[in-house]
Amino acid sequence: TQLLEQSPQFLSIQEGENLTVYCNSSSVFSSLQWYRQEPGEGPVLLVTVVTGGEVKKLKRLTFQFGDARKDSSLHITAAQPGDTGLYLCAGGNAPRRAGNNRKLIWGLGTSLAVNP
Amino acid sequence: NAGVTQTPKFRILKIGQSMTLQCTQDMNHNYMYWYRQDPGMGLKLIYYSVGAGITDKGEVPNGYNVSRSTTEDFPLRLELAAPSQTSVYFCASSYGDLTETQYFGPGTRLLVL
Repeated sequence: TQLLEQSPQFLSIQEGENLTVYCNSSSVFSSLQWYRQEPGEGPVLLVTVVTGGEVKKLKRLTFQFGDARKDSSLHITAAQPGDTGLYLCAGGNAPRRAGNNRKLIWGLGTSLAVNP
Repeated sequence: NAGVTQTPKFRILKIGQSMTLQCTQDMNHNYMYWYRQDPGMGLKLIYYSVGAGITDKGEVPNGYNVSRSTTEDFPLRLELAAPSQTSVYFCASSYGDLTETQYFGPGTRLLVL
């Protein structure tokens, strides 16, 4: 069974601090997505990474996919209150094989609170 | 474009009652999904569909049914509500699978008493 573990589960920081959250697995994924979910709303995609070692930047957010495609990290520089939310990672399972259902595997999320 | 819309936003059911959660997307997406999200438990896939007339079970299908008669609509049916079905339900759609963006609706909060 493929699992994605996210850490930390909860994080509360002050505005202006930097932080990193992690998404780890013992399984290889063909792709990995990061979503942010604000209270009372559905998740919204931030980024998709598909190549081992890939780094993508979205303003103050930096995403990295591990070389072995088993893990990923999200680094936020100078966090702002607007970054508050639940950060979810979701992995696409390994390349198509007979009987292999292609579905996303979701982590439980990191709940981030950025205090003014 | 409205994206993915869900109705109702909130509902209270008594044990044993039935209801249908509605989901509509206007992006002409082939793939549609139903998830439930319990506190601290992440998203669990209930059912999904890869196109009109085609549906398949996800991780937690028991107690639910779906249909996909059109590309736009993907209703979720609860036949005999149980307290264990108290959750927030999200519908999502995507153009393709895995590497494609999943677009989520605002969710339906269901309380079964």
